[in-house]
Amino acid sequence: EPEVTQTPSHQVTQMGQEVILRCVPISNHLYFYWYRQILGQKVEFLVSFYNNEISEKSEIFDDQFSVERPDGSNFTLKIRSTKLEDSAMYFCASGYRGGDTEAFFGQGTRLTVV
Amino acid sequence: DQQVKQNSPSLSVQEGRISILNCDYTNSMFDYFLWYKKYPAEGPTFLISISSIKDKNEDGRFTVFLNKSAKHLSLHIVPSQPGDSAVYFCAASDIYGGATNKLIFGTGTLLAVQP
Repeated sequence: EPEVTQTPSHQVTQMGQEVILRCVPISNHLYFYWYRQILGQKVEFLVSFYNNEISEKSEIFDDQFSVERPDGSNFTLKIRSTKLEDSAMYFCASGYRGGDTEAFFGQGTRLTVV
Repeated sequence: DQQVKQNSPSLSVQEGRISILNCDYTNSMFDYFLWYKKYPAEGPTFLISISSIKDKNEDGRFTVFLNKSAKHLSLHIVPSQPGDSAVYFCAASDIYGGATNKLIFGTGTLLAVQP
């Protein structure tokens, strides 16, 4: 069964460093998303991506964040200068269409900023 | 800004009985609702969904009920099995008015099914 894969599963980084979280969405999907879940809190929407551009972003997704689909298969989330409060589980998701269909989630990357 | 609320952080049910998980929402623009199941250290897994034009959707042991006037939905699992023990998230989307079908999640309910 096709699945969304994320690497690495766990990333530890120093505050102020740049990190790149990687995702391989399901191959025939067209809509891509990043969500995050801070420990003990709910899953929050960060950004959606369609047709090679950001279609919507939340207020969390400030100038420190960027997304890219560099080669038609990978989908990356970059945090330029990490802060302690960026520590969270980051989930990538993809969907076939933007309408009434579910999004499929990856297993997540646990980012720990120290 | 809690647009989607799951007021029960946990629920314990005996194996074979019915599990009922509840969810309330405040945004009347939501028109598509989903339930996801999540195990520790894994991503959310889609379970079942319902469009706002329906009031019930059933898939095997899982049934979702939607009461639009009350802005309430529930997930029924019957019979409950120990393998159903997980965190269940309710999520909602504005698929016709929004730019994309981003999901707004509730805080989750931890279901424990006792053998």
